[in-house]
Amino acid sequence: QSALTQPPSASGSPGQSVTISCTGTSSDIGRSDYVSWFQQHPGKAPKLIIYDVKTRPSGVPDRFSGSKSSSVASLTVSGLQAEDEAVYYCSSYGGRDNYMIFGGGTKLTVL
Amino acid sequence: QVQLVQSGAEVRKPGASVTIVCRPSGYTFTSYPIHWVRQAPGQRLEWLGRITVGNLNTEYSPKFQDRLTLSRDTSATKASMELRNLTSEDSATYYCARGRGYLVLDFWGQGTPVTVSA
Repeated sequence: QSALTQPPSASGSPGQSVTISCTGTSSDIGRSDYVSWFQQHPGKAPKLIIYDVKTRPSGVPDRFSGSKSSSVASLTVSGLQAEDEAVYYCSSYGGRDNYMIFGGGTKLTVL
Repeated sequence: QVQLVQSGAEVRKPGASVTIVCRPSGYTFTSYPIHWVRQAPGQRLEWLGRITVGNLNTEYSPKFQDRLTLSRDTSATKASMELRNLTSEDSATYYCARGRGYLVLDFWGQGTPVTVSA
């Protein structure tokens, strides 16, 4: 099963900005605007923070933003806060045989 | 408010089956599909399948096509997943999630840990 590639870790100091990448191929991210990002704190269920590449659900701070260029999607967290420390997963439509695929997750540490 | 409450932790022996129940509330159950996703310890999220509650249409990941069944009971407002012929590799936390639009999983259950061990 194909999967998306994320860096295993990222970090930043409070107030700084951090960008997490999610690399796919022309068969998934490259041909789909159905890219989502999820935030997961330890022992908790994932929480949707971005969908359709750049749309924030109601209640998600505008410090979180998403974008896509070719086969790479990105999540930027601006004005880092301690509560942003979590694992972030990207997802995308993966084609007919891999309907929904996920990245391996990026652990974001707020220094 | 939208909530999805799942049944509790399960322990099974290899070769057995497990059924997990998801009980949504706070919205019209038949208007949104239910997706199922699992996460093995330290591993990435993995999509299992989805069921369109209104018309019972189902879609499965090819990896689980042969041993996964998704169902729903509209009168009881619950969705269920049954995974058969379990192996140790099926040990994971299983989540149900409400779907919206296309592949937008906007609300998740709390997760159900499943342990497969002899």
